[in-house]
Amino acid sequence: DTGVSQDPRHKITKRGQNVTFRCDPISEHNRLYWYRQTLGQGPEFLTYFQNEAQLEKSRLLSDRFSAERPKGSFSTLEIQRTEQGDSAMYLCASSLVAMGSPYEQYFGPGTRLTVT
Amino acid sequence: AQSVTQLDSHVSVSEGTPVLLRCNYSSSYSPSLFWYVQHPNKGLQLLLKYTSAATLVKGINGFEAEFKKSETSFHLTKPSAHMSDAAEYFCVVTRYGNKLVFGAGTILRVKS
Repeated sequence: DTGVSQDPRHKITKRGQNVTFRCDPISEHNRLYWYRQTLGQGPEFLTYFQNEAQLEKSRLLSDRFSAERPKGSFSTLEIQRTEQGDSAMYLCASSLVAMGSPYEQYFGPGTRLTVT
Repeated sequence: AQSVTQLDSHVSVSEGTPVLLRCNYSSSYSPSLFWYVQHPNKGLQLLLKYTSAATLVKGINGFEAEFKKSETSFHLTKPSAHMSDAAEYFCVVTRYGNKLVFGAGTILRVKS
């Protein structure tokens, strides 16, 4: 078990540029979640996948945001035409959901995005 | 809808004294409740969870929490604080684990 990994750990971009983040979940986990955390706040849910299906998206996820999990393994989160308000820590988590499993989500270290 | 209110944004204790971090929740359904800890520049780590079994839940590093349905509370306690406990703590509510709803966090400071 190598844990949830995220890449890159830090990203600085100029307003208007597109960025893409990657998340690799714990290998046997079938669910993958994306959250966003701004300074002084708790993480806020963005979206989640079960295997390759995207099952829920938050209203926070505007049209500029898109997430994929093409083969039910790693996931990408893309932000198009970044805005300064997108500056935040983007967190990925994974969990194993099955009969009798406890639902806890395991988090990666996050990708800190700074939009200048 | 579900929500969590962490009643203190900052708590300061002396090393060796008890810790109490307060959390109230709101949920239309029987909730699952968690406490996560976030150390500086580290990822979120699960401390403990309540999923409708025993109301007193023990977690890692000597932390425990008690689910009180009548008070809609899930306060986190530790008998004796250690310097390494200094971190930010999040109370979390969920239903079936589909998405976690986090509180705003409580920063715990431990004085030597």
